[in-house]
Amino acid sequence: EVQLVESGGDLVKPGGSLRVSCVASGFTFNNAWMSWVRQAPGKGLEWVGRIKRKNDGGTTDYAAPVKGRFTISRDDSKNTVYLQMNSLKTEDTAVYYCTLGAGTTDFDYWGQGTLVIVSS
Amino acid sequence: QTVVTQEPSLTVSPGGTVTLTCASSTGAVTSGNFPGWFQKRPGQAPRSLIYSTSNKYSWTPARFSGSLLGGSAALTLSGVQPEDEAEYYCLLYYGLPRVFGGGTKLAVL
Repeated sequence: EVQLVESGGDLVKPGGSLRVSCVASGFTFNNAWMSWVRQAPGKGLEWVGRIKRKNDGGTTDYAAPVKGRFTISRDDSKNTVYLQMNSLKTEDTAVYYCTLGAGTTDFDYWGQGTLVIVSS
Repeated sequence: QTVVTQEPSLTVSPGGTVTLTCASSTGAVTSGNFPGWFQKRPGQAPRSLIYSTSNKYSWTPARFSGSLLGGSAALTLSGVQPEDEAEYYCLLYYGLPRVFGGGTKLAVL
């Protein structure tokens, strides 16, 4: 069974930084494309970005609102994907979900999410 | 950027049938947009239901089906159960960025 467990969500001040993590199990992690999706309070799902598996170049792509501020990385030895968030804004307040693409789509499996609150 | 539009809310009676749609600002949705559908219950993680228009995951209940309908992607629930009350999101692939629809809140009353 594939499981994704996010952690690291916290309350952070505007302009601050935070790194959230997602540990995967039940799948050959180095074969997976990993993505982050967020949901702000009362809003819908918003794609944040993704990282390809190393065999496909390991490259990253980001949504325009986070490009240049957020960085996605992966450590295949730890079955973990990270989302480093810098220069945080109040509008980044959301539950952040990691997703695992197992070969059909980018979003086959979802974690339970981690809450990031950006507030002074 | 493409805008993906869903009905904001729908209501269905238990045992009934309801169809949710997913339209694109760029024109007709095709199988080449690989429509996907996700279920989101309050306080729970989203769950993938349908990929590539009509393909189900092993955990997708048989009462859920996906199709193309009148230029939109569609998700049909037949024999609705109380536990189907949730928000449903579609996703259409237009390269990057990935674009979700605004979601349909389905009430089962």
